[in-house]
Amino acid sequence: DAGITQSPRHKVTETGTPVTLRCHQTENHRYMYWYRQDPGHGLRLIHYSYGVKDTDKGEVSDGYSVSRSKTEDFLLTLESATSSQTSVYFCAISEYVVGIQYFGAGTRLSVL
Amino acid sequence: TQLLEQSPQFLSIQEGENLTVYCNSSSVFSSLQWYRQEPGEGPVLLVTVVTGGEVKKLKRLTFQFGDARKDSSLHITAAQPGDTGLYLCAGFEAGNNRKLIWGLGTSLAVNP
Repeated sequence: DAGITQSPRHKVTETGTPVTLRCHQTENHRYMYWYRQDPGHGLRLIHYSYGVKDTDKGEVSDGYSVSRSKTEDFLLTLESATSSQTSVYFCAISEYVVGIQYFGAGTRLSVL
Repeated sequence: TQLLEQSPQFLSIQEGENLTVYCNSSSVFSSLQWYRQEPGEGPVLLVTVVTGGEVKKLKRLTFQFGDARKDSSLHITAAQPGDTGLYLCAGFEAGNNRKLIWGLGTSLAVNP
């Protein structure tokens, strides 16, 4: 199994609070991704990174920011959480831009 | 607009039955991947197909990539309860290899 750790695994927070989710990899893969998965919408890309300090927006980036200061860590921040951001968040890594994506176990976030 | 249409969305069958899941698009894909996701976990890659007309077999699973590289199918022979899960297709559009395009998935339940 690819070494990907997401933390926390579960979080309940209140509307308006900041939330940071962490993705840590031990594979030294260049590409890292944050997705959210919701019923009826499938997996949607939030942000991705193609190297340290190199990030780009996905299709649902509004309300989210990311940072990657080290190869192994990719942080997803919800600056002011809203109920619409209640979802399961997955981190994925890939060695090549067209390669296999390896996923973490996910973070279940509830915004009340 | 969903670029990758998967059908059926839900499938409930008895152990031992055969089934086929379809992944269709009007776009041409340079490669297409099939993933399986179990509850509470991230998707895991089953296979990648890259050549039009390609057929790959993985034990009881047979994957086919259409000749025009616009569609793919997954056929399971003699389904078992362990096959239960969400099957996702995802592909890289020809000429745009930066982001993986995901289907919404087919939720399969195999009843003993």
